[in-house]
Amino acid sequence: QVTLKESGPSQVKSTQTLTLTCTVSGFSLTRDAACVSWVRQPPGKGLEWLALIERDDVKKYRTSLRTRLTISKDTSKSQVVLTVTNMNPGDTGTYYCVRGDTRFSAYDSWGQGLLVTVSS
Amino acid sequence: SYVLTQPPSVSVPPGQTARITCGGKNIGSRNVHWYQQKPGQAPVVVVHDDSDRPSGIPERFSGSNSGDTATLTISRVEAGDEADYYCQVWDISGDQVFGGGTKLTVL
Repeated sequence: QVTLKESGPSQVKSTQTLTLTCTVSGFSLTRDAACVSWVRQPPGKGLEWLALIERDDVKKYRTSLRTRLTISKDTSKSQVVLTVTNMNPGDTGTYYCVRGDTRFSAYDSWGQGLLVTVSS
Repeated sequence: SYVLTQPPSVSVPPGQTARITCGGKNIGSRNVHWYQQKPGQAPVVVVHDDSDRPSGIPERFSGSNSGDTATLTISRVEAGDEADYYCQVWDISGDQVFGGGTKLTVL
């Protein structure tokens, strides 16, 4: 059974850096065809893809946020980490860790999500 | 950047058919995925690659994609289908793109 769980702070201040960790189980970040992405959702609004990392460590970032995002993985811990620099209130939302077979695939597994609030 | 356009809301009586559209330039050349999100829950994929249904998703959910419009069709709509629905595609820029979402109301 595939599971993903997000962890990190629930509150950050403007200009701070947010670091989120996704701990996965039920699949391997190195052996299996797996692409892990981060998707966020501002309160009451739609879904917004942020970044992905593939099995071979290929990384892709949302064009409009490229300079603020970094995605990486720690295979020994089965974790994918997302950092977002220079946080502002517009970054408030629920952050989801999601899995697909490839970057072209649907996200077949989602974490429960983590609400992050940015205060000014 | 590529844009997907969905109607903000769709309303249908129970037992009828709901059709939720997702418009994009030449979207028919792309693989479209559809997600259902109920309040307070993470999204769930209901249709992937235009028209494939994951195991556990009722046959009432189907998808099609041609030209500039992809459509999610929900037959014999039930109260439990009330949710937000999002379409998604991969763009050549490398971005994953979501539509703005459609709120389905069962009257």
